[in-house]
Amino acid sequence: NAGVTQTPKFQVLKTGQSMTLQCAQDMNHNSMYWYRQDPGMGLRLIYYSASEGTTDKGEVPNGYNVSRLNKREFSLRLESAAPSQTSVYFCASSRQGANQPQHFGDGTRLSIL
Amino acid sequence: KQEVTQIPAALSVPEGENLVLNCSFTDSAIYNLQWFRQDPGKGLTSLLLIQSSQREQTSGRLNASLDKSSGRSTLYIAASQPGDSATYLCAADPGSARQLTFGSGTQLTVLP
Repeated sequence: NAGVTQTPKFQVLKTGQSMTLQCAQDMNHNSMYWYRQDPGMGLRLIYYSASEGTTDKGEVPNGYNVSRLNKREFSLRLESAAPSQTSVYFCASSRQGANQPQHFGDGTRLSIL
Repeated sequence: KQEVTQIPAALSVPEGENLVLNCSFTDSAIYNLQWFRQDPGKGLTSLLLIQSSQREQTSGRLNASLDKSSGRSTLYIAASQPGDSATYLCAADPGSARQLTFGSGTQLTVLP
């Protein structure tokens, strides 16, 4: 029962470096999401993919790009990392349609110096 | 824009006590209200989802209620245990594009 798997779990980058966060789910879910969690601010949606082949911006998309590689995988890319992007990043997935709970991975803790 | 607030930010209770966690939201046009649990260093685990047409949902010692007209939801935990210690988050689902709006959470500590 792997559920949602995120890699890596921890990463330290220097300002200006690029990086891709990986996410894969084995629950045959159509919808996938990327969130960031910052102290005192709750979780905020960065991008989501309602189904394979589609992606849309969430609340805080600036500085990020995403790729829905196939039904299982949804990656998040930081092209030029900035200290403001230091955060914990969570990937989630859900069945398509209304009233479907989201299932979360354990997160990637990213520090940008 | 939907805003979700959880008060208090932290709560400490002795084992065995019944407790209520609060969640308020500003826009009553929601599809559902979801409660999650987050353990330190881990992701979120879905606890309960209350659809807009429902008043409450129950799972074991957990009971969540929803009052859309007042913009409030509560999570009731009966007979609390140290294993219930975690951060509890609520999230409002507007139904469009599944863009959940999360509260900042209540950090619960149950003392043995």
